[in-house]
Amino acid sequence: DAGVIQSPRHEVTEMGQEVTLRCKPISGHNSLFWYRQTMMRGLELLIYFNNNVPIDDSGMPEDRFSAKMPNASFSTLKIQPSEPRDSAVYFCASTPWGRLNSYNEQFFGPGTRLTVL
Amino acid sequence: KQEVTQIPAALSVPEGENLVLNCSFTDSAIYNLQWFRQDPGKGLTSLLLIQSSQREQTSGRLNASLDKSSGRSTLYIAASQPGDSATYLCAVRPNSGYALNFGKGTSLLVTP
Repeated sequence: DAGVIQSPRHEVTEMGQEVTLRCKPISGHNSLFWYRQTMMRGLELLIYFNNNVPIDDSGMPEDRFSAKMPNASFSTLKIQPSEPRDSAVYFCASTPWGRLNSYNEQFFGPGTRLTVL
Repeated sequence: KQEVTQIPAALSVPEGENLVLNCSFTDSAIYNLQWFRQDPGKGLTSLLLIQSSQREQTSGRLNASLDKSSGRSTLYIAASQPGDSATYLCAVRPNSGYALNFGKGTSLLVTP
C-alpha cells in the first residue's frame, strides 16, 4: 500500500496567489481529514469528509479556504487568495471509519510545506 | 473543548535509558488515543492506538498506557536508541467527533 499521498511536497508562492493542495487517501478508506501544523498552534483540524461528504468544516479559518472531495480517491484544499499567515505544513489523513474491526486509526501523508511570501 | 497537554516539551537522555512521555487530556469522554512519531520535516507515523476500553498497548520497545478516568496516558520507551530521536505526539479522538485533538508534542533526543 502506498499510504496517503500528498502533492506538492513543497509550495512557495506569493501573497494573493491561489494555492491548491492535493491528497489521495489510502484505498478503501472512507474518511479523509485535512490538518494544519504551525509552531504556535500545533496540529489543528481544518475539515473532514466521510464518504466524500464534508462532515465538519468548523476548523476552516475563513472563506479563503475551501476543500472538495469529488470522489473516494481524491481531495483538494484550496486557498484563494493566499496570505503569509497561511504558511504552515498541511497534512492529509485517512481512516476506514465505521468499518467492522476497524479501530479508526488515522494514517497521515507526508504533508505539504506551504510558504507564502 | 478538549485540551491535550504533553510534558515535558523536550527531553534529552543518553542511549540505553528507559523513559516515559506523558500526555493528559481534559475530557475523559474519549473514543481512543493515538501516539505518533514525527521526524523533522516529515509526516506523522502512527505508533500505538489505545481504545477507550483498553488499559495499554505494546509494540516492540514501546508501551502505551491509558487511564481514562484521570485523563492520562503515558508512552514508555525501553532501552532508548539514537534512532528514537523525534517528536512524539499524543492525540485524542473524542466520543462526540471523529477528528483528533493533538498535544504540542515532546521533542526527544537520545544521545550516543
